[in-house]
Amino acid sequence: GAGVSQSPSNKVTEKGKDVELRCDPISGHTALYWYRQSLGQGLEFLIYFQGNSAPDKSGLPSDRFSAERTGGSVSTLTIQRTQQEDSAVYLCASIVGGLPTDTQYFGPGTRLTVL
Amino acid sequence: DAKTTQPPSMDCAEGRAANLPCNHSTISGNEYVYWYRQIHSQGPQYIIHGLKNNETNEMASLIITEDRKSSTLILPHATLRDTAVYYCIVRSFTSGGSNYKLTFGKGTLLTVNP
Repeated sequence: GAGVSQSPSNKVTEKGKDVELRCDPISGHTALYWYRQSLGQGLEFLIYFQGNSAPDKSGLPSDRFSAERTGGSVSTLTIQRTQQEDSAVYLCASIVGGLPTDTQYFGPGTRLTVL
Repeated sequence: DAKTTQPPSMDCAEGRAANLPCNHSTISGNEYVYWYRQIHSQGPQYIIHGLKNNETNEMASLIITEDRKSSTLILPHATLRDTAVYYCIVRSFTSGGSNYKLTFGKGTLLTVNP
């Protein structure tokens, strides 16, 4: 596609349920980030994928969070046993390579609300 | 990454130039200055970046002072659709992988008025 897409755009769930958030990066982009943005706050790094290398999971806030990237393209962020503090906008960004000057292109985000 | 300081908000009249300042007095020689913006309820959008020379693209111009301790993003003819939060970020290019992650502060809320 022309840009990064994410689905769903909005997700409302009950505390304790599991959710899956999807990111489709720009075709040909080899690197992908997940961030989250709580209301009125800046970006919080979650996880980074680069090609076939092991992902950097250093930003995941707890073991309830996991992510995978299948076939070097689509990525899924899974949050198990959701808590109210998980409510945020989850943003995905893809990059053509892994260089510091490569621009990160963001998707529109998934707004997660945990009741 | 070096810390940046931006005013929390600015106003600009439609059609006029918007000049958004950013201080990054602790920037080091291997750090770039990046600007992104975020329109309400959308993902961040890349605007421009530079190292030490002034840069211009179809969206904006970036003026970096000679000592690189501050920069200014210029939107030459602001429109109502430019109303957004603008983030100034400095990023190292000597680290790899996830160290290229973006760290946004609070940014500047630019309001373009008719």
